[in-house]
Amino acid sequence: ETGVTQTPRHLVMGMTNKKSLKCEQHLGHNAMYWYKQSAKKPLELMFVYSLEERVENNSVPSRFSPECPNSSHLFLHLHTLQPEDSALYLCASSQGDRVGKETQYFGPGTRLLVL
Amino acid sequence: ELKVEQNPLFLSMQEGKNYTIYCNYSTTSDRLYWYRQDPGKSLESLFVLLSNGAVKQEGRLMASLDTKARLSTLHITAAVHDLSATYFCAAHEASGSRLTFGEGTQLTVNP
Repeated sequence: ETGVTQTPRHLVMGMTNKKSLKCEQHLGHNAMYWYKQSAKKPLELMFVYSLEERVENNSVPSRFSPECPNSSHLFLHLHTLQPEDSALYLCASSQGDRVGKETQYFGPGTRLLVL
Repeated sequence: ELKVEQNPLFLSMQEGKNYTIYCNYSTTSDRLYWYRQDPGKSLESLFVLLSNGAVKQEGRLMASLDTKARLSTLHITAAVHDLSATYFCAAHEASGSRLTFGEGTQLTVNP
């Protein structure tokens, strides 16, 4: 595997379900990001991790819970989501001494539909 | 809070024509990115612009940055169908850790 991978690529879940999105980067980067991409809206930054430590939490509802067990893996745990949470969730990674400043490399995304 | 606005949001053009996409940002930024996204695919980095007057070119795309006007442009020369995609600009706030994206410009190049 190369670059940034995300699984699953598509996910349909009910509002009472619990699921997790997984992201893995194979680039040796030290920072990872979660973004939400909704139709007709700019990408919204959700979380930023640098060296496995959360450095940014952009007022995201608690039904989204990130986890970064090591610098190569990032998870987004989902529970009791709402239909408006349906979107494309993108993971990205970057390398540098200033989080967010370096070029970010994106994964293919997980298309989430909440029923 | 840094805001980024792109225009136009939708652009339909014929092959062989030239056009420019504009990206304005509201506060001081120390770097400006352009990304491309094909339908159903992820974002691909095209350019990063670091200083006033910076210009970068790759094939039929040329990006420039005017930090005084807080404006970046992405110029398309002699468009071809393969350039059809959504183009995003993103600005990094000089004092922060986040990248703020514009809404994207959906470009369609017609034969």
